[in-house]
Amino acid sequence: GNSVTQMEGPVTLSEEAFLTINCTYTATGYPSLFWYVQYPGEGLQLLLKATKADDKGSNKGFEATYRKETTSFHLEKGSVQVSDSAVYFCASPSDSWGKLQFGAGTQVVVTP
Amino acid sequence: GAGVSQSPSNKVTEKGKDVELRCDPISGHTALYWYRQSLGQGLEFLIYFQGNSAPDKSGLPSDRFSAERTGGSVSTLTIQRTQQEDSAVYLCASSPSRQSLDEQYFGPGTRLTVT
Repeated sequence: GNSVTQMEGPVTLSEEAFLTINCTYTATGYPSLFWYVQYPGEGLQLLLKATKADDKGSNKGFEATYRKETTSFHLEKGSVQVSDSAVYFCASPSDSWGKLQFGAGTQVVVTP
Repeated sequence: GAGVSQSPSNKVTEKGKDVELRCDPISGHTALYWYRQSLGQGLEFLIYFQGNSAPDKSGLPSDRFSAERTGGSVSTLTIQRTQQEDSAVYLCASSPSRQSLDEQYFGPGTRLTVT
C-alpha cells in the first residue's frame, strides 16, 4: 500500500529562518498528498494539499510541490515565526478509501 | 459552525477496565474515522464508517477494540480490558463524503492513560 516517510525532528530554528521538512512517498499511481499541522494542545488541521503531479499546495506562507520524479512532497517556508511551532505530518491515502497514512511527524520549534 | 467534538478530553483508567470514547462529527458529514496517536507508533488508522456501509475495521489492533456509529452520526469507540499499551490520544475525524479525503476535519482528541 501507499506510505509516506518524513524527516525526524525536532527541528529547532530561529525566527525568520528557512524551513524545509522532507517527505517522500511510495505509491502505486499518483495519490493525493497532504500536510497536516498540529499546534500545541490542538487537533490536526489540514495545512495544504496537492492532488496530482506538479501541483503546488500553499497556505499560510507554506508551500509544497508534488514531484513525481523524486516521489517527494517537501514542505517549505521562507521565513518562519514563533507561531509556526508545531508538529507537521505528511500524509497520503492508503489503498483503501478513507484511510490516511501519516508520516511520523516532525516537531518544529521556532525560537525568537 | 461546530467542529468535530470528542469526549472526554482526558481519561485515566485502571488496567483491565473498559472505556468508551465518544465522537460527535460535523453535522451532515457521512464519513467518520478513528485514529490513534501514540509515542513510537505515530498516527494509526483504526476504523472508518461511511454512510450505511459496513465499516472498515482493518486498523483495529485487537478484538478488544470495537466501534459503532449510531444513526449515521455519533460514534463510540470501546476498548475492553484496557492494557497499558492502549495509552494514547484517540482522534476522530469526519468528512463530507467518501470522495472528500482531503476534507477530513479532526477533533481535539481524547487522551487515554491506562495505569
